[in-house]
Amino acid sequence: SAVISQKPSRDICQRGTSLTIQCQVDSQVTMMFWYRQQPGQSLTLIATANQGSEATYESGFVIDKFPISRPNLTFSTLTVSNMSPEDSSIYLCSVEGAGTASDIADTQYFGPGTRLTVL
Amino acid sequence: AQSVTQPDIHITVSEGASLELRCNYSYGATPYLFWYVQSPGQGLQLLLKYFSGDTLVQGIKGFEAEFKRSQSSFNLRKPSVHWSDAAEYFCAVGAREYGNKLVFGAGTILRVKS
Repeated sequence: SAVISQKPSRDICQRGTSLTIQCQVDSQVTMMFWYRQQPGQSLTLIATANQGSEATYESGFVIDKFPISRPNLTFSTLTVSNMSPEDSSIYLCSVEGAGTASDIADTQYFGPGTRLTVL
Repeated sequence: AQSVTQPDIHITVSEGASLELRCNYSYGATPYLFWYVQSPGQGLQLLLKYFSGDTLVQGIKGFEAEFKRSQSSFNLRKPSVHWSDAAEYFCAVGAREYGNKLVFGAGTILRVKS
């Protein structure tokens, strides 16, 4: 499986500011996703990061709040804009491999997550 | 709408005892099914997955899961639990028809007592 890294691993931010989270993969992947895990909760998909085009957002998430970039097949960023304490969560990126190899196709692998606290 | 139910929020088992974590799903397409584990402060690690074929699938760390279409279930099992298995376990469902986007259950926190 791919090796996925996220930066930063954690951060404490003031309300009203923005934070950009980076997700880097050590190989080219077809799909990249961003999830949010609020305290004590399960994971909720924010958006699918599309290479070279605008991300596809899930219901309840908007581009102005969570702008996403994906300039190539190994890198994506998620920005949490104009933060409030309710944005305190773990943000995880995941990737899905290309091709038909059974160990990577149609299977998402997750990065270590970014733990965000907003004061 | 797609949904995944993990009815047990917490489970406590003794070390060496057997384990079964329940997962039921409601999905409008042929599902791909996954179990992930999350240790405190960590990301998610894939334990196993089911796409098709043999309904009993083997995963890492001695885990297995059985897909039962008639019951819309994908329960996770382990014959003998180790203290290091204490973590949170998530069942997830996806499908190509929905862009492989995963829907997660609420998770089950496993505690292991010695």
